[in-house]
Amino acid sequence: DAMVIQNPRYQVTQFGKPVTLSCSQTLNHNVMYWYQQKSSQAPKLLFHYYDKDFNNEADTPDNFQSRRPNTSFCFLDIRSPGLGDAAMYLCATSVQVPPSVLDTQYFGPGTRLTVL
Amino acid sequence: AQTVTQSQPEMSVQEAETVTLSCTYDTSESDYYLFWYKQPPSRQMILVIRQEAYKQQNATENRFSVNFQKAAKSFSLKISDSQLGDAAMYFCAATQGGSEKLVFGKGTKLTVNP
Repeated sequence: DAMVIQNPRYQVTQFGKPVTLSCSQTLNHNVMYWYQQKSSQAPKLLFHYYDKDFNNEADTPDNFQSRRPNTSFCFLDIRSPGLGDAAMYLCATSVQVPPSVLDTQYFGPGTRLTVL
Repeated sequence: AQTVTQSQPEMSVQEAETVTLSCTYDTSESDYYLFWYKQPPSRQMILVIRQEAYKQQNATENRFSVNFQKAAKSFSLKISDSQLGDAAMYFCAATQGGSEKLVFGKGTKLTVNP
């Protein structure tokens, strides 16, 4: 089945130690997103790729970076995790072909990050 | 800026009963999508139902249906014959005009009582 896969599902890191979260998709969608979600809150968009074009949200800290080496894979790098970065990180994909309006976003299962 | 408002932080329903979750939104776009997503505790966010703004007919998916009132910018979700597995956080979302981003509401936590 076509899907959005996130690895690992649980990640523990130490304060200040770089960490990378990965996302892959078999949907062949051209847009990939990274969200941060804290307990009982709505997902907060960090950035997204529209094809190869990177789009950063204005309030996303510089500590967060992303790479998309190809259509299928996207990575979230946290250069120096702080305690406040402990959260669920969600990857999502969608397909957008202008002039159509954006359609459904499909979410992966998320990676729960713990910072010690 | 576009906003999505869910005015009910928490709701509860008895098993087999019907519950309606409220959502209002604000947009200046004429063409957009609206979504309800479900996120069970510690589980994946999944799409429940979606509505295309240019369609007047309310979307229905099995026990889930929406009441889409375009003029009032209202998009409520009705869950019929509630089941224990319906217990989750429900997020209303709307496409953000001219972009590939979604705007989410703050969510409604639904509890289903046996």
